[in-house]
Amino acid sequence: GNSVTQMEGPVTLSEEAFLTINCTYTATGYPSLFWYVQYPGEGLQLLLKATKADDKGSNKGFEATYRKETTSFHLEKGSVQVSDSAVYFCALRDYGNNRLAFGKGNQVVVIP
Amino acid sequence: DSGVTQTPKHLITATGQRVTLRCSPRSGDLSVYWYQQSLDQGLQFLIQYYNGEERAKGNILERFSAQQFPDLHSELNLSSLELGDSALYFCASSYKKPEDTQYFGPGTRLTVL
Repeated sequence: GNSVTQMEGPVTLSEEAFLTINCTYTATGYPSLFWYVQYPGEGLQLLLKATKADDKGSNKGFEATYRKETTSFHLEKGSVQVSDSAVYFCALRDYGNNRLAFGKGNQVVVIP
Repeated sequence: DSGVTQTPKHLITATGQRVTLRCSPRSGDLSVYWYQQSLDQGLQFLIQYYNGEERAKGNILERFSAQQFPDLHSELNLSSLELGDSALYFCASSYKKPEDTQYFGPGTRLTVL
């Protein structure tokens, strides 16, 4: 079945550092890929998405490229801020399917 | 603010009890989804309704049921509650097509004592 794997453990980094969160997926069809962000005490917000291979999703300085050959959708940001501290979830939705399959999430803590 | 509302925000109850979680989708959205977020299982899809009818089912226990009403709000009913049902329950809504973005509510935190 469909699944998403995110790198283990929280990520702690200093303000203005470069952020990468790895995400790989397994899917039977042609999935759409998403990054959602969850700020403390809030629901999930869509951060960015890509619907086909080689698409690049971007928003608020975050980027992720849909790589079919490596089945990956890694999230990157060039210079993080304290306000980027949150939990980040990678997710996929298979073509024609409605449900989202999520990774375990990564807690990101940005220190001033 | 996503436009999806969920009530209550917090719910504390005892084992064996029954609770109802409520979700109001964004204006105009026809689909409602329920997800469970727990420490051990992560975020899991439970069930989807589209315009009042069940559309897809995920890892939803038989003790759990849901419905979507004519005004498109949805309720998730959890019965014979167990300690392991303690989790954050999210509702999401989307417009019509499978590829439409799902917008999430703030969640209901259920604690079973």
